[in-house]
Amino acid sequence: SAVISQKPSRDICQRGTSLTIQCQVDSQVTMMFWYRQQPGQSLTLIATANQGSEATYESGFVIDKFPISRPNLTFSTLTVSNMSPEDSSIYLCSALQGGAETQYFGPGTRLLVL
Amino acid sequence: GQQLNQSPQSMFIQEGEDVSMNCTSSSIFNTWLWYKQDPGEGPVLLIALYKAGELTSNGRLTAQFGITRKDSFLNISASIPSDVGIYFCAGQPTGNQFYFGTGTSLTVIP
Repeated sequence: SAVISQKPSRDICQRGTSLTIQCQVDSQVTMMFWYRQQPGQSLTLIATANQGSEATYESGFVIDKFPISRPNLTFSTLTVSNMSPEDSSIYLCSALQGGAETQYFGPGTRLLVL
Repeated sequence: GQQLNQSPQSMFIQEGEDVSMNCTSSSIFNTWLWYKQDPGEGPVLLIALYKAGELTSNGRLTAQFGITRKDSFLNISASIPSDVGIYFCAGQPTGNQFYFGTGTSLTVIP
């Protein structure tokens, strides 16, 4: 199994600022993803982090708001830009291992925007 | 994106009782995963299923990959207080993306 860590674990931010969340996997993985989870809700996929190229965004999410980097096979960052209270959520990093058949999650980053 | 129908939405059971929950999809899936999420934590993988009809156990948990490949079931036997949490199913049709169920919130009453 893959062990995934995220930093920061939580943060309180002022509206209009940006926050970068880091995701580190303890082994090389085929795919990395970023999800958002509102309290009491299911997981919503933001984007697929592609190694060495631009991320692939889901409908409703754009690069200007959620720029993503993935410089190598074990690390990715998600930036939440120009934050508003509506961005308050849990942001989760995940990775696919093996033949892309098993997905593991990080512990999440709890973001509160005031 | 596609979302799976997961039921029940919530369950309140007595300690020692068995629990059953399921996920259904309108599409055929090649992989089913079941997760448990505790408050303030990320989802933790419980069981992975890769073949139609497959039945896999992990301690008191048993999950099955439906024969139609459009559904999956999770059973928890002899529930204990630490089983409390939200359970999610996830299905993978083709490619790399997984789609997630709406979650089942489980409360175990001692």
